[in-house]
Amino acid sequence: ETGVTQSPTHLIKTRGQQVTLRCSSQSGHNTVSWYQQALGQGPQFIFQYYREEENGRGNFPPRFSGLQFPNYSSELNVNALELDDSALYLCASSLSGGANYGYTFGSGTRLTVV
Amino acid sequence: GNSVTQMEGPVTLSEEAFLTINCTYTATGYPSLFWYVQYPGEGLQLLLKATKADDKGSNKGFEATYRKETTSFHLEKGSVQVSDSAVYFCALPKAAGNKLTFGGGTRVLVKP
Repeated sequence: ETGVTQSPTHLIKTRGQQVTLRCSSQSGHNTVSWYQQALGQGPQFIFQYYREEENGRGNFPPRFSGLQFPNYSSELNVNALELDDSALYLCASSLSGGANYGYTFGSGTRLTVV
Repeated sequence: GNSVTQMEGPVTLSEEAFLTINCTYTATGYPSLFWYVQYPGEGLQLLLKATKADDKGSNKGFEATYRKETTSFHLEKGSVQVSDSAVYFCALPKAAGNKLTFGGGTRVLVKP
């Protein structure tokens, strides 16, 4: 059973650029959630995808967008990058949309915006 | 909505010391409660969970009991090791149930 894999592991972008982060969910999981973790803080919910549809969104602007594919893998896209977007981006998968079951997290993508 | 508050770190301990990390919650109903651990340079791993009041979650020598009367879910370990050095997060689902809400994390450093 493979876990959640994210790519790339590290990324450096310039302010104003666009970035795409990728996530492969754990085998058998149909729900993917994305979190932003700033340095020294807890993860903040960005959005969740369930069966290719957005299923909840946190307090993030529209320049944060996502996709989920038929194989349940997912992408997080961020446009017009700002310095404050520098963070660890975590992908988590679960068997259903319900957080009561807990999530399996990937190791994250460390994004640095300069 | 549901939320958690956990003690701030860092917590510095010697090997074999007793560890307690306090976590209190505010919730509608009785959601599951979780502790996640983040080792340096890694993502989050589920450490333990409890799904109802008075449940005790346990894993790797860590324990936490779901206390309804004190709305707490404190994490404990009787004898820590250097390898327990990490950041620990208390978490619970938001009322809508489709996202986890995390505390701010508690950094634990265990010295030999």
